[in-house]
Amino acid sequence: AQSVAQPEDQVNVAEGNPLTVKCTYSVSGNPYLFWYVQYPNRGLQFLLKYITGDNLVKGSYGFEAEFNKSQTSFHLKKPSALVSDSALYFCAVRDHRGFQKLVFGTGTRLLVSP
Amino acid sequence: GAVVSQHPSRVICKSGTSVKIECRSLDFQATTMFWYRQFPKQSLMLMATSNEGSKATYEQGVEKDKFLINHASLTLSTLTVTSAHPEDSSFYICSARPRQTGATEAFFGQGTRLTVV
Repeated sequence: AQSVAQPEDQVNVAEGNPLTVKCTYSVSGNPYLFWYVQYPNRGLQFLLKYITGDNLVKGSYGFEAEFNKSQTSFHLKKPSALVSDSALYFCAVRDHRGFQKLVFGTGTRLLVSP
Repeated sequence: GAVVSQHPSRVICKSGTSVKIECRSLDFQATTMFWYRQFPKQSLMLMATSNEGSKATYEQGVEKDKFLINHASLTLSTLTVTSAHPEDSSFYICSARPRQTGATEAFFGQGTRLTVV
């Protein structure tokens, strides 16, 4: 079965510093990987995806993610964090079977301090 | 980008009543829509997959008679929580994936905060 793991419940970083939110995956076949962000009482906003091609994927709001096949990881990164980046971040993998639903990680809360 | 509109954003209802939540794809057609439930500080739990013109597919443990799903058109799916109880209070989120070939990411509604009193 497809799954993703987000090992950190919370990540704290100071504004201006680089941030990394970790995600590892377990899939059969080629992974379709996604990052979404959720602000309080809101739905999820799409940030970026990896389907194929370059391992470094660039997305919205200055975020990027690096696909690493050997480490089965897809960590989310940003060179310089903003206070407004504080939110809940979800990694997800698409199930290739059936309706191709998204399987989400448990989420990582990012807190960026001024 | 593609927009998914979910309505209402908040609803408070009395125990025993039913509540309908709408999910609309505004600028694309979606053969398949997904309904999730999210408990505080937890991840999204897929409840069911909604397909236009056919019965919804429910995840294990989700009561299909309690959570009625209707996918009436390629742009509208509804979730009705029947005979709601306080334990049904939660944040419900829908998502939709464009039907065109090659579409990969799903787009999410704003969510509905349901409170049953």
